[in-house]
Amino acid sequence: GAVVSQHPSRVICKSGTSVKIECRSLDFQATTMFWYRQFPKQSLMLMATSNEGSKATYEQGVEKDKFLINHASLTLSTLTVTSAHPEDSSFYICSAIKINEQFFGPGTRLTVL
Amino acid sequence: GQNIDQPTEMTATEGAIVQINCTYQTSGFNGLFWYQQHAGEAPTFLSYNVLDGLEEKGRFSSFLSRSKGYSYLLLKELQMKDSASYLCAVMDSNYQLIWGAGTKLIIKP
Repeated sequence: GAVVSQHPSRVICKSGTSVKIECRSLDFQATTMFWYRQFPKQSLMLMATSNEGSKATYEQGVEKDKFLINHASLTLSTLTVTSAHPEDSSFYICSAIKINEQFFGPGTRLTVL
Repeated sequence: GQNIDQPTEMTATEGAIVQINCTYQTSGFNGLFWYQQHAGEAPTFLSYNVLDGLEEKGRFSSFLSRSKGYSYLLLKELQMKDSASYLCAVMDSNYQLIWGAGTKLIIKP
C-alpha cells in the first residue's frame, strides 16, 4: 500500500525555538495533505489542509503565523512550529490522499521544554 | 453543523463479536472511513465505504447506509490485540475528513 513518512519521529526543543516537521508521500503524488494534532486521550484535531502550490487552509482557532505549512511539491509538505511553547507539545500527524483513500504518516511527537 | 456520533466506550469478550455504530450529519459525502488507533500511535486505516452495503475484510466488516447517515464496524472473533480506539470519519464535499471522537474498545479474557 501507499506509504507516508514523517521526519523526525520525535523532537525535543527549548521554548522559543522553531521546529520543522516533514511529511512525504513515498510512492505517490499527493496534491492534498492534511496536518493533525492529537492531544492525550483525545481524537485527532485537523489543523490545516495543505494544497500543493497554494496556501494552506487553516481550521478555525489554528494560528497560521505559528504553524507555518508549505506544500512545495507533490510529495512533500512541511509544518513549522514557530516560537514553540510547552503548550505546543503534542503528537503531530500528517496524511495524504491517494485517489479516495487516506494514508497517515507515523506521527511526530514534539516536546517543548 | 457537521456531526459524527459514536459510543465513547464498549466492552466485549475475547472470541466474541462486537458492533461499533457511527451516525453522521455532514455537508456532502465522499465516503466513510474506519480507523483503528492504539495509544500513542497514528491511526491505521481499516475500511472505506462510499456505496451502501457491507464490505468484508477478514475479521472486520463495515456497513454503510447513506440514506440513514449510518455506518457500523463489525469485529468478529475478537482478540486481545483488538483493544484500541476505533475512529469513524466522513469525507465531506470539500474532501476534508470530519472525525468522530472515537470508541474505546476494551476486550476482556
